[in-house]
Amino acid sequence: QKEVEQDPGPLSVPEGAIVSLNCTYSNSAFQYFMWYRQYSRKGPELLMYTYSSGNKEDGRFTAQVDKSSKYISLFIRDSQPSDSATYLCAMSADAAGNKLTFGGGTRVLVKP
Amino acid sequence: DVKVTQSSRYLVKRTGEKVFLECVQDMDHENMFWYRQDPGLGLRLIYFSYDVKMKEKGDIPEGYSVSREKKERFSLILESASTNQTSMYLCASSLQDRVAGYTFGSGTRLTVV
Repeated sequence: QKEVEQDPGPLSVPEGAIVSLNCTYSNSAFQYFMWYRQYSRKGPELLMYTYSSGNKEDGRFTAQVDKSSKYISLFIRDSQPSDSATYLCAMSADAAGNKLTFGGGTRVLVKP
Repeated sequence: DVKVTQSSRYLVKRTGEKVFLECVQDMDHENMFWYRQDPGLGLRLIYFSYDVKMKEKGDIPEGYSVSREKKERFSLILESASTNQTSMYLCASSLQDRVAGYTFGSGTRLTVV
């Protein structure tokens, strides 16, 4: 079983809809949680970062962490065609960041 | 614009060849990483380096080696390329103790035939 599970999709939504993405994990030591966005033929770029449990909002993006359930989520409000990309969750047990564990990524397609 | 540059976007190599993938960063980052990305498997860490001439094995180091002679440059070496090393290879860099500070390159898609 993988340490981090993520549905590969693809997830297809109409423009303006809310996109809901999630990851589950098994390692209770994880306490640093990130979401990366990866456009086709590009490297991943950091979208959201959360430490421990709770919510974080940045514009149209909201990240949630529920450590008791070992479950993290990313919500994209008012989705745009430019949000079409692969979204990867990543986690780490320590702040040194020498070892991130990534999910497999979810491909999202926002249709105009 | 700060960035991580990978020398090749696409590479095709033959089985048994020695392959060098080069990565250069211009951000004076201490840490550098090599990942491979395969469909459904996400990114898996091959090696990382936290200083010049220092290296640590990641989760899947078998069949690979690395070299870091200068702070800005981190090379991944496939000693004898095999078809199961066909993949997307991503280089990243970060400052020390910056778990959320990774900057990735655009990747090298390597095909071994």
